[in-house]
Amino acid sequence: QKEVEQNSGPLSVPEGAIASLNCTYSDRGSQSFFWYRQYSGKSPELIMSIYSNGDKEDGRFTAQLNKASQYVSLLIRDSQPSDSATYLCAGYTGGFKTIFGAGTRLFVKA
Amino acid sequence: EAGVAQSPRYKIIEKRQSVAFWCNPISGHATLYWYQQILGQGPKLLIQFQNNGVVDDSQLPKDRFSAERLKGVDSTLKIQPAKLEDSAVYLCASSFISGVDGYTFGSGTRLTVV
Repeated sequence: QKEVEQNSGPLSVPEGAIASLNCTYSDRGSQSFFWYRQYSGKSPELIMSIYSNGDKEDGRFTAQLNKASQYVSLLIRDSQPSDSATYLCAGYTGGFKTIFGAGTRLFVKA
Repeated sequence: EAGVAQSPRYKIIEKRQSVAFWCNPISGHATLYWYQQILGQGPKLLIQFQNNGVVDDSQLPKDRFSAERLKGVDSTLKIQPAKLEDSAVYLCASSFISGVDGYTFGSGTRLTVV
């Protein structure tokens, strides 16, 4: 069964630090990967997409993909209390299928 | 661009009653998804439509859940009869093509079955 796995956390970091969120996936055929942010009581919001090996930066966010290791990560620099949320990792496996992980809860302490 | 519209936002029903949820995707998005998210878990796909055809309904409990997408636009998800374990948030999402570029989610419907 195709899976996307994440540490459920919570991950707690002080304000201004780098938060590192990690995700592994089982399907080597996965083509693209996503990070969604979900605030408590809200729906998921797409914040990063990555399609090829390496790093992709967008503001304070950097997504990293290593297809050989089947590993995806999200780095949040200069973490703010407003970054406190659950971060969902998802992989598009082709055949119109996207698999979501269970999410990692992040707390940024002021 | 307008987002994915869902209604109602909240619903409380008794077990064995029926309930229906409505979704209007982003204009031009061919693919529409219904997800169930139980507190503390990731979203679980219930059904996926490509235009008005079903692509994947393998995890839809077909004895009680049904869904349709009228004319390839709006969609409704129905539960009949509801069970206590159906208490969850029901999320509708849409994508332009197949999900390869990610989804846009609606605000969700929080269902409580008592």
